[in-house]
Amino acid sequence: AQKVTQAQTEISVVEKEDVTLDCVYETRDTTYYLFWYKQPPSGELVFLIRRNSFDEQNEISGRYSWNFQKSTSSFNFTITASQVVDSAVYFCALSEEGAAGNKLTFGGGTRVLVKP
Amino acid sequence: DGGITQSPKYLFRKEGQNVTLSCEQNLNHDAMYWYRQDPGQGLRLIYYSQIVNDFQKGDIAEGYSVSREKKESFPLTVTSAQKNPTAFYLCASSIAGGRRQPQHFGDGTRLSIL
Repeated sequence: AQKVTQAQTEISVVEKEDVTLDCVYETRDTTYYLFWYKQPPSGELVFLIRRNSFDEQNEISGRYSWNFQKSTSSFNFTITASQVVDSAVYFCALSEEGAAGNKLTFGGGTRVLVKP
Repeated sequence: DGGITQSPKYLFRKEGQNVTLSCEQNLNHDAMYWYRQDPGQGLRLIYYSQIVNDFQKGDIAEGYSVSREKKESFPLTVTSAQKNPTAFYLCASSIAGGRRQPQHFGDGTRLSIL
């Protein structure tokens, strides 16, 4: 069975500090996809990034960066120079192989609180 | 603007009552999903549908039912058999194409027991 673990339930930082969110996953699939989503207080989930299991290149998008390490089954997310608007719950998710389409397994989420 | 609309935003259920949550999308997506989120927890899949008139159970389908009569609509009924329905319900959709497609989410419906 697939599993996604986000060990940090809540992280509190002061604005402009960097914050790294950990994500560790388990799967028997050889091909899989990993996702990060942001859930602001309004409730909807906002898609941030997708990574496939064959691409271990790190990615940077503005103040966001992602570190995918297949050897340790981790897909960590860093927010550089955090801002108050980054306050949200962040979810890591893993897609499941199967004929019936795209089923996502979510981690428990990490709440990030950025204080001014 | 294209997106997913869930209604109502807040819903209250009486004992023994069935309630239906609405989910409509105008993204022309083939696949649609329902998730349940409990406080401090991740999302769990209730039902999903890859095509009109077809749907599959997710991990926690007991006490719920769905229909998919139109591509753009995927209503979820929380039946009286669901003994602990208080939660935040999120609807999502995606392009057909399997695991690589990101899912796009609505704003959610918060269901409480009266």
